[in-house]
Amino acid sequence: GNSVTQMEGPVTLSEEAFLTINCTYTATGYPSLFWYVQYPGEGLQLLLKATKADDKGSNKGFEATYRKETTSFHLEKGSVQVSDSAVYFCALRANQFYFGTGTSLTVIP
Amino acid sequence: EAQVTQNPRYLITVTGKKLTVTCSQNMNHEYMSWYRQDPGLGLRQIYYSMNVEVTDKGDVPEGYKVSRKEKRNFPLILESPSPNQTSLYFCASSVRGSVYEQYFGPGTRLTVT
Repeated sequence: GNSVTQMEGPVTLSEEAFLTINCTYTATGYPSLFWYVQYPGEGLQLLLKATKADDKGSNKGFEATYRKETTSFHLEKGSVQVSDSAVYFCALRANQFYFGTGTSLTVIP
Repeated sequence: EAQVTQNPRYLITVTGKKLTVTCSQNMNHEYMSWYRQDPGLGLRQIYYSMNVEVTDKGDVPEGYKVSRKEKRNFPLILESPSPNQTSLYFCASSVRGSVYEQYFGPGTRLTVT
């Protein structure tokens, strides 16, 4: 079956630190992969996406590369800001969407 | 403005009292779906719809009904709510195409006592 596993949180970082949130997936076929972000009190917003192997999605300084050989789509940012504090969800789209459990990130000044 | 709207945003009700949460999108999207978000479980899909009059069960459909009579609307119906349906509910929509990029509503916080 299809599933997404992402690292447990919460994650707390100091401003300007490097961020990695791990995400691995199980899927039949060739799914599209996504990272969504949820700010407090809001719905999810698409952060970035990748549709095929070796694609790199990027947005707002965040990046993730679709690695078929390791079935991974890890989220990275070189220098986090306080405004990046949110919950991050990894997701895949096969016949329907499958989401990970979310990773809460808090960035402290 | 392109958006997905949900109503109500907050609802407290009692066990067994039928309720409907509405969802509407103004982007002419074919695909719509409902999720519930629970701590430690992330988002789980309840039902989805590929187009008008076409609906399918997601991972947790028990206790819920949906209908898709119009393209823009996708209401979620709880015929007899129970406390285990206390959750945060999100509606989402997307275009059909090679990449299904979903747009989410603001969420409905439901409490069943």
